[in-house]
Amino acid sequence: GGIITQTPKFLIGQEGQKLTLKCQQNFNHDTMYWYRQDSGKGLRLIYYSITENDLQKGDLSEGYDASREKKSSFSLTVTSAQKNEMAVFLCASSMRTGREQYFGPGTRLTVL
Amino acid sequence: QQQVRQSPQSLTVWEGETAILNCSYENSAFDYFPWYQQFPGEGPALLIAIRSVSDKKEDGRFTIFFNKREKKLSLHITDSQPGDSATYFCAASMNYNQGKLIFGQGTKLSIKP
Repeated sequence: GGIITQTPKFLIGQEGQKLTLKCQQNFNHDTMYWYRQDSGKGLRLIYYSITENDLQKGDLSEGYDASREKKSSFSLTVTSAQKNEMAVFLCASSMRTGREQYFGPGTRLTVL
Repeated sequence: QQQVRQSPQSLTVWEGETAILNCSYENSAFDYFPWYQQFPGEGPALLIAIRSVSDKKEDGRFTIFFNKREKKLSLHITDSQPGDSATYFCAASMNYNQGKLIFGQGTKLSIKP
């Protein structure tokens, strides 16, 4: 078994601030994902990475940057936090060709 | 444009009844359909999944029925328990799309004891 750890669990920022969310996995999975979850809207893909140093844009990448520093970690940066960005950000991982994605517990972002 | 749609948005059933959650999709290239279960404050967890070559997948009290012609599927939860109260997401992916999942907006299920 394995686990996905997301830090911090809660993140409070000011409008216009640059904020970074971190994700670590010990599944030894190749692919990692960042999703945004808004109430009543399901999960939307922001960025994903199929291997270390790879980066692929999802449907919601504008306003975000990501970095796959090593196989086990994937960071997401909100480049300029906006009030309408309050949501839960979920990190997930999967085997390179696998369809099963395993999710972390999420980071809840609040922008004041 | 929502490629995967779920209904109803919320559903309440009595303990012991069968809960039926519906999902439809637009892209006929989708060939893998997982259902995820999410409890408040937690990330989604894979519950059960079906590939388009099958029309039914069963795992204990959870069954997926799949209709490829109509592009519809449903999740049946028999003998519902209060612990099944959660939000359920239907998702879809294509074989050649690097495993990317498209999620529906979810159905919030409440089981009354």
